[in-house]
Amino acid sequence: SQQGEEDPQALSIQEGENATMNCSYKTSINNLQWYRQNSGRGLVHLILIRSNEREKHSGRLRVTLDTSKKSSSLLITASRAADTASYFCATDADMRFGAGTRLTVKP
Amino acid sequence: EPEVTQTPSHQVTQMGQEVILRCVPISNHLYFYWYRQILGQKVEFLVSFYNNEISEKSEIFDDQFSVERPDGSNFTLKIRSTKLEDSAMYFCASSEARWDEQFFGPGTRLTVL
Repeated sequence: SQQGEEDPQALSIQEGENATMNCSYKTSINNLQWYRQNSGRGLVHLILIRSNEREKHSGRLRVTLDTSKKSSSLLITASRAADTASYFCATDADMRFGAGTRLTVKP
Repeated sequence: EPEVTQTPSHQVTQMGQEVILRCVPISNHLYFYWYRQILGQKVEFLVSFYNNEISEKSEIFDDQFSVERPDGSNFTLKIRSTKLEDSAMYFCASSEARWDEQFFGPGTRLTVL
């Protein structure tokens, strides 16, 4: 079944650095969404980008979408220790989540 | 800010027992979802619900599972005869439009002994 697949699986950076994670998917979509999950908690919606958009910003988050490559990226700028979490993408094709990118931001 | 709520936060049950997990979606949302997450694994889609019927379900959502919107506010997931492998966090979510921004509840941790 189709799902968003995130990479890398894990990412460890220092506070203040930028973090980039990627998502690939398989079929045509209307939108792609990024979510965050702190350990053992529910998912929190971060940003939704529609298929006719190439880039979207929300605070320190920047999401890009390349429908020709069926890929998206999430950039977190000036990371903070509180950004430590797992990040997932999902598309409206089926909202199946991948294994996520586990981001660790060291203070 | 409106939020999705789930009860109970933790449910312990014996294998073979029936459990009902409850969710109160955001009031003006029309689409409702259940997901599960086995410890250490990814979030798995179970079922989506719209207009009082199941709109999509995954291969996980077999005959032992059922969903219901018994009144105007609650959305429930019933597991008829629990198995050990049903132990997981179960998350409810809701959205205004199909597969649009989803708001997740805090989850119910189900432990089957």
